[in-house]
Amino acid sequence: DTEVTQTPKHLVMGMTNKKSLKCEQHMGHRAMYWYKQKAKKPPELMFVYSYEKLSINESVPSRFSPECPNSSLLNLHLHALQPEDSALYLCASSLTTANYGYTFGSGTRLTVV
Amino acid sequence: AQKVTQAQTEISVVEKEDVTLDCVYETRDTTYYLFWYKQPPSGELVFLIRRNSFDEQNEISGRYSWNFQKSTSSFNFTITASQVVDSAVYFCALSEFSSYGGSQGNLIFGKGTKLSVKP
Repeated sequence: DTEVTQTPKHLVMGMTNKKSLKCEQHMGHRAMYWYKQKAKKPPELMFVYSYEKLSINESVPSRFSPECPNSSLLNLHLHALQPEDSALYLCASSLTTANYGYTFGSGTRLTVV
Repeated sequence: AQKVTQAQTEISVVEKEDVTLDCVYETRDTTYYLFWYKQPPSGELVFLIRRNSFDEQNEISGRYSWNFQKSTSSFNFTITASQVVDSAVYFCALSEFSSYGGSQGNLIFGKGTKLSVKP
């Protein structure tokens, strides 16, 4: 299995909702990442998990809460989002943060209404 | 600070034409990796190539070729005999490796070049 699987593929949520994005890989990778990509922009790093520990938080607002329950799973919990948070959320993984073989998922297209 | 510049925002070619996508990078480190990714409308980032800073050999993979020149800090990507399926946004990206802190795993992306190949 050489894939990063993200669910759901599309999500529409209200500003008062709580939802979660899920990312899963079974390649034995120990580094996992969340990127945010606005329309017609490049992806921007949000969080890095290395060996299930948060190693980078790029000053992301607290309404985004990452969680890495085990080495195969990465979640992004969403609460009280704003319409400007609408974007494509991409998950990626690599063997470690020092291994540059990143594999990206197909993303979750999030719309906040 | 590290930076990746893709000066071409959009390129439009007719099928079978050759096209080169430019990428210029800035970094203070001597050890780094450069990447090209393809992003079709479906959204997934498809890995195309990784090149480390110590390997300046050009690479060819089918219709794709890459020209890495450290002297000009460029890592250009050429598609030969383009096809409609090549239509996508292409991102060049940089990952640094600090000898002190190791890699944090952060990919710095350029703004992307949207390639449209018309039949």
